[in-house]
Amino acid sequence: KAGVTQTPRYLIKTRGQQVTLSCSPISGHRSVSWYQQTPGQGLQFLFEYFSETQRNKGNFPGRFSGRQFSNSRSEMNVSTLELGDSALYLCASSLDLGPYEQYFGPGTRLTVT
Amino acid sequence: GESVGLHLPTLSVQEGDNSIINCAYSNSASDYFIWYKQESGKGPQFIIDIRSNMDKRQGQRVTVLLNKTVKHLSLQIAATQPGDSAVYFCAEKGGSQGNLIFGKGTKLSVKP
Repeated sequence: KAGVTQTPRYLIKTRGQQVTLSCSPISGHRSVSWYQQTPGQGLQFLFEYFSETQRNKGNFPGRFSGRQFSNSRSEMNVSTLELGDSALYLCASSLDLGPYEQYFGPGTRLTVT
Repeated sequence: GESVGLHLPTLSVQEGDNSIINCAYSNSASDYFIWYKQESGKGPQFIIDIRSNMDKRQGQRVTVLLNKTVKHLSLQIAATQPGDSAVYFCAEKGGSQGNLIFGKGTKLSVKP
């Protein structure tokens, strides 16, 4: 089975721009979560989607948004980029909501200049 | 200004020795725990999980121990190899939270 895939792997944007990141979960997995990883804050939860609905949201500003499609693929969007948004954005998929194994993709490295 | 990086605890072991990585979790209502391994430039890789109705679970060369009384989790790696060098994270889930909450990580260095 193919693992979680994320595109693009690397991205450079300038302040004020917006960006869309994509995640394809493991086949059959219906839950997709997004995390931000930075050297200063570690791994922080952004949001979780299941059945095209946001089920849970972390403590991030409204500039961060996401969505999930009927095939469970997910996208996240960051508008009005700030320098502090530079990070590794990780997507993870699991079979269902609740206490299930969560598998991560390789991440998208976003650099904001 | 420049952000200050997290000061990761570091564990340095000799190849072939056993490693024990510890983690204190925060929520007494958490009922599910996972250990991840993250190598440089890669996403976290699932190692092993444990539910709160267990206190020990074994995998291939790895054992996770859960002590709910003191909210402590540990990962034991037997016969540590150079390929085990990575940052290890524990994560908890449960109670009122639906998402995984990650610890700050421990960097494991294996000396050949």
